[in-house]
Amino acid sequence: SAVISQKPSRDICQRGTSLTIQCQVDSQVTMMFWYRQQPGQSLTLIATANQGSEATYESGFVIDKFPISRPNLTFSTLTVSNMSPEDSSIYLCSVGGSDRSNYGYTFGSGTRLTVV
Amino acid sequence: GDSVTQMEGPVTLSEEAFLTINCTYTATGYPSLFWYVQYPGEGLQLLLKATKADDKGSNKGFEATYRKETTSFHLEKGSVQVSDSAVYFCALSDVGWGKIIFGSGTRLSIRP
Repeated sequence: SAVISQKPSRDICQRGTSLTIQCQVDSQVTMMFWYRQQPGQSLTLIATANQGSEATYESGFVIDKFPISRPNLTFSTLTVSNMSPEDSSIYLCSVGGSDRSNYGYTFGSGTRLTVV
Repeated sequence: GDSVTQMEGPVTLSEEAFLTINCTYTATGYPSLFWYVQYPGEGLQLLLKATKADDKGSNKGFEATYRKETTSFHLEKGSVQVSDSAVYFCALSDVGWGKIIFGSGTRLSIRP
């Protein structure tokens, strides 16, 4: 299964600023997914990033707040814009594609974001 | 849409007790089912998975069987250890090329 490197691993940011999180995969993948885990909560899908097209956002998430780039088949970024304390969460990426046997194996180690 | 419902926590057991964490799902197709574990302060790890009906996933003494007739994937372990203390997430992947839908999580605490 794919190996995912995510950075930064953690950051403390001032409200009103933006943070870009990077996700690098060691092999080419069709889909990349971004999740948010708020404190004490489960994981919620933010968006799906397919190379060469705009990301697809889940209900409650918008591109202006969480712009995503997917410049190639091994890399994606998620930006958390105009941050507020409510954005303090762990952000994780995962991968997918046409081979269902590989689904679910790997998540990035996560970015623990604290907004002050 | 697809969803996962799992047992509310927290669950507290004594060491060597039998563990069951219930999980049921709703899906339009034939999903793959997963259990993930998140140890305190650590990232998310895949514990086990099952991709079709009647499959049994197992790892580290944990087991779960994919029951299509009851749309369930309950997690079991015969004898828990203090080191099993963690949050456990049931999840599924159906349509969507690998998109994972998570249950709410169950916090498990094992006392010596």
